[in-house]
Amino acid sequence: GAGVSQSPSNKVTEKGKDVELRCDPISGHTALYWYRQSLGQGLEFLIYFQGNSAPDKSGLPSDRFSAERTGGSVSTLTIQRTQQEDSAVYLCASSSRPEAYGYTFGSGTRLTVV
Amino acid sequence: GNSVTQMEGPVTLSEEAFLTINCTYTATGYPSLFWYVQYPGEGLQLLLKATKADDKGSNKGFEATYRKETTSFHLEKGSVQVSDSAVYFCALSDRSGGYQKVTFGIGTKLQVIP
Repeated sequence: GAGVSQSPSNKVTEKGKDVELRCDPISGHTALYWYRQSLGQGLEFLIYFQGNSAPDKSGLPSDRFSAERTGGSVSTLTIQRTQQEDSAVYLCASSSRPEAYGYTFGSGTRLTVV
Repeated sequence: GNSVTQMEGPVTLSEEAFLTINCTYTATGYPSLFWYVQYPGEGLQLLLKATKADDKGSNKGFEATYRKETTSFHLEKGSVQVSDSAVYFCALSDRSGGYQKVTFGIGTKLQVIP
């Protein structure tokens, strides 16, 4: 597609439920990032995928968080047993050559855990 | 490891004032440098970039020069408008562990008043 697409745009869930957030990057972009942005805060790195290489999971805050990227394209971020502190905007970004072109960001998924 | 330091803000300016948002970085390699902008309620957009020392990135009246000697990439605009009110993120992309990795600053909120 023309841009990075994230779905859903908004998600309200009950504490303890599992949620799945989806990112559809720009076709051909091999690099994909997930970030978390809490209200009034900066960007917190979560996970990075580059082509077929093993992902960099060093930013995942706990083992309740996981992510996968199927076929080098669509990525899904899963949060199990959600907690209120998981409430944030989850941003996805992709790039073909990050050092030359930077990243294109999606509009994010606003997750609210009640 | 790599890091990006930028003024925390918020920065409040009157319309037509001169803007400077400072950004300094620490990197082990030869990074590319970026400024991203996040307008209220939206995702991040790439504003400008510079891929090597002494390069000047420019867009929408904003400029930033890659200064290797001072490890800086300060954002400037000669005359700000109300529509420039947003959060500005400085970022670097550097090769680490075999792939490009992006490090963001904490973001500087700019408010322009009429």
